[in-house]
Amino acid sequence: AQTVTQSQPEMSVQEAETVTLSCTYDTSESDYYLFWYKQPPSRQMILVIRQEAYKQQNATENRFSVNFQKAAKSFSLKISDSQLGDAAMYFCAYRSATGNQFYFGTGTSLTVIP
Amino acid sequence: KAGVTQTPRYLIKTRGQQVTLSCSPISGHRSVSWYQQTPGQGLQFLFEYFSETQRNKGNFPGRFSGRQFSNSRSEMNVSTLELGDSALYLCASSSLTGGPTETQYFGPGTRLLVL
Repeated sequence: AQTVTQSQPEMSVQEAETVTLSCTYDTSESDYYLFWYKQPPSRQMILVIRQEAYKQQNATENRFSVNFQKAAKSFSLKISDSQLGDAAMYFCAYRSATGNQFYFGTGTSLTVIP
Repeated sequence: KAGVTQTPRYLIKTRGQQVTLSCSPISGHRSVSWYQQTPGQGLQFLFEYFSETQRNKGNFPGRFSGRQFSNSRSEMNVSTLELGDSALYLCASSSLTGGPTETQYFGPGTRLLVL
């Protein structure tokens, strides 16, 4: 079974600075999708960014970008110009291209310091 | 479109009781997945339903069961509740049209406390 590992249970960043959250995964598949989800305190989980494994170009969504290294099975999330509203639990997730089951990491709690 | 809705939002039960949670997916979505979220464990996949059929199942005991109706609404049932079942239960829907646009949209969750 696929596994997703987030080795940083907690991270903090100063407002307006940049922070990178790490994620590694284990799979024998060649085609899959990777996601970063954000879960603010007591609020709904929402999709931050998505990466298709067949694309070499790293995905970008405004201040959020990923560093996808397929050979290393690494998928880190970079948040630029951090804002107070970025404070949340961030989950990395994997989905096979042939199935709809998602595998989630244990999450990284991000604190943004004013 | 309305988002994924879950009812009830909060629930308190005692050990040995059973509970039923409900999830209404986004209109047009045919796949519904259920997750258990606990501190330190992250999200654990329970099962996924598509067109009223269970397609995937996680590693949970048989006390956890679910079903999906013809309108794609889904229910999850937990029988003989244990203290360790206290968690946030999340439902997520996806349309399964395939391709890079496919993703899961989560509901707000049902927080279950077992006393």
